[in-house]
Amino acid sequence: DVKVTQSSRYLVKRTGEKVFLECVQDMDHENMFWYRQDPGLGLRLIYFSYDVKMKEKGDIPEGYSVSREKKERFSLILESASTNQTSMYLCASSLGQPEAFFGQGTRLTVV
Amino acid sequence: KNQVEQSPQSLIILEGKNCTLQCNYTVSPFSNLRWYKQDTGRGPVSLTIMTFSENTKSNGRYTATLDADTKQSSLHITASQLSDSASYICVVRADYGGSQGNLIFGKGTKLSVKP
Repeated sequence: DVKVTQSSRYLVKRTGEKVFLECVQDMDHENMFWYRQDPGLGLRLIYFSYDVKMKEKGDIPEGYSVSREKKERFSLILESASTNQTSMYLCASSLGQPEAFFGQGTRLTVV
Repeated sequence: KNQVEQSPQSLIILEGKNCTLQCNYTVSPFSNLRWYKQDTGRGPVSLTIMTFSENTKSNGRYTATLDADTKQSSLHITASQLSDSASYICVVRADYGGSQGNLIFGKGTKLSVKP
């Protein structure tokens, strides 16, 4: 089974902190994605990566950056966390035609 | 504009009853349509995937239908169980080429199954 693992289930950070969300997949997938999910808004794509060191902006990249130094790992970075970034963050990976496999999610609260 | 609309927004049914969730999309060019189940506080898990040529696909008590002409899909749950309580998300992939995703998500239907 494909496994997509996010480093934390729950995080509480202070406004202005730099926050790292880590995601690791074990199936050698080229494509990896970061989404945020908010009530009433569904899933929205922040960034995706289709290869090591490659990244593309999604629909809502502002306030975020990403890093993909290794194929299996895709990191989402909040440069200076703000309260409006309180959300559920979901990482996903896929190979070619996406059967997108999701991680268990990280619920981030910024206070 | 590519959109995926789901209805109803939420649904409460009694255990053992059947229900049907709807998904209408305006995604073009269409590649495939997928239904996900998301338990509270968890990531989505794929239930079914359907391509243009498929009308019906089943996964246990879950049956998905696709009408590519009217751009509608439904997810039918038979003999509901308490564990079916979850959000169900319809996701349509636009075929722009490449493999970067082009996934358009519906906002989900929240299903509650009561004893």
